[in-house]
Amino acid sequence: QQQVKQSPQSLIVQKGGIPIINCAYENTAFDYFPWYQQFPGKGPALLIAIRPDVSEKKEGRFTISFNKSAKQFSLHIMDSQPGDSATYFCAQGVAGGSYIPTFGRGTSLIVHP
Amino acid sequence: KAGVTQTPRYLIKTRGQQVTLSCSPISGHRSVSWYQQTPGQGLQFLFEYFSETQRNKGNFPGRFSGRQFSNSRSEMNVSTLELGDSALYLCASSPRRAETQYFGPGTRLLVL
Repeated sequence: QQQVKQSPQSLIVQKGGIPIINCAYENTAFDYFPWYQQFPGKGPALLIAIRPDVSEKKEGRFTISFNKSAKQFSLHIMDSQPGDSATYFCAQGVAGGSYIPTFGRGTSLIVHP
Repeated sequence: KAGVTQTPRYLIKTRGQQVTLSCSPISGHRSVSWYQQTPGQGLQFLFEYFSETQRNKGNFPGRFSGRQFSNSRSEMNVSTLELGDSALYLCASSPRRAETQYFGPGTRLLVL
């Protein structure tokens, strides 16, 4: 399975800061790039997803930036809160009937009050 | 709507045994996918079932198998358990398009 490289592995910010998590993909055939949030003891929850035909997508305080030429996409969390402390995963795949996602290794985010 | 439920939540087995995990998807969802999550390998796709048929399969040995019933409930089975099978097994359901997934809380399997 082709890798999606996620960085950083961990991130600590103060409340109100804007943590940024980056992912790089290899295969341009992928057309669906979601981000998931996972709290301890819970399954991942889909936060936001983007397709390569747009460069940015916002949902609430979460924004994905997509750079097709660099094959990179990033998650920005605006006005971060202690409740955002969780592990975040990026993923990649081909949308539709052949969706076999591969995931980044995750970023552990801590937001201090 | 109730979320995805998985049973059991925790399980301890010994090497060589087999195990069956169960997943009940969100009502109306027809696609069920299974994942293995470990600290070493991260989150990895096992397989996906749609309308009782395996639609996609990840890169796991044949010891890992699954099935889906007519009510969309799914089970996965791991035979001849190995220590490395210790993991959190996650199930996710989708209404139709597999990429819009809702995950369950997982079953934590410990193999001794």
